[in-house]
Amino acid sequence: GDSVTQMEGPVTLSEEACLTINCTYTATGYPSLFWYVQYPGEGLQLLLKATKADDKGSNKGFEATYRKETTSFHLEKGSVQVSDSAVYFCAVNTGGFKTIFGAGTRLFVKA
Amino acid sequence: NAGVTQTPKFQVLKTGQSMTLQCAQDMNHNSMYWYRQDPGMGLRLIYYSASEGTTDKGEVPNGYNVSRLNKREFSLRLESAAPSQTSVYFCASSEGGVRGYTFGSGTRLTVV
Repeated sequence: GDSVTQMEGPVTLSEEACLTINCTYTATGYPSLFWYVQYPGEGLQLLLKATKADDKGSNKGFEATYRKETTSFHLEKGSVQVSDSAVYFCAVNTGGFKTIFGAGTRLFVKA
Repeated sequence: NAGVTQTPKFQVLKTGQSMTLQCAQDMNHNSMYWYRQDPGMGLRLIYYSASEGTTDKGEVPNGYNVSRLNKREFSLRLESAAPSQTSVYFCASSEGGVRGYTFGSGTRLTVV
């Protein structure tokens, strides 16, 4: 069945450091890929998405590129801020009504 | 712009008690979902409703029932709560899965 694997956390970075959170997936067909962010005490928010191979999703300085050849959708940001501290979830949808979420990666950014 | 509203935000139940978690969305979305979030396990789908009048089981439906009351509202009921149902519950809605979901702020449930 469909699955999502993302790097275990927590990830701890200093402010202005570069961020990469790895995500790989297993899915049939042509899935859509997502990154969600969850701030403390809140629900998940859609951060970015990509719906076909080689698409790049971007939002708030974060980027991720849909790599079908490596079945990956890694999240990147060039310079993180303290306010980026949150839990990040990678997710895949194959067009039906079920989206599969990864286990989440907690990011801590120190001032 | 409320989005997805869940009530209550917190609840403590005794084993065997029942309760209903409420969810309402004001975005005119057809699809609605209930997930539970447990440490290290991400989100797992309990039930979903593709459209008004339909409901289907997700990955972990045992011990739960749902009702799609109308297009706006989708409730989750625990008939006889168990400690294994201690979790954070999220409701979400969507206009097609490929467009992504809008989540509520969650209900933190503890069963003692």
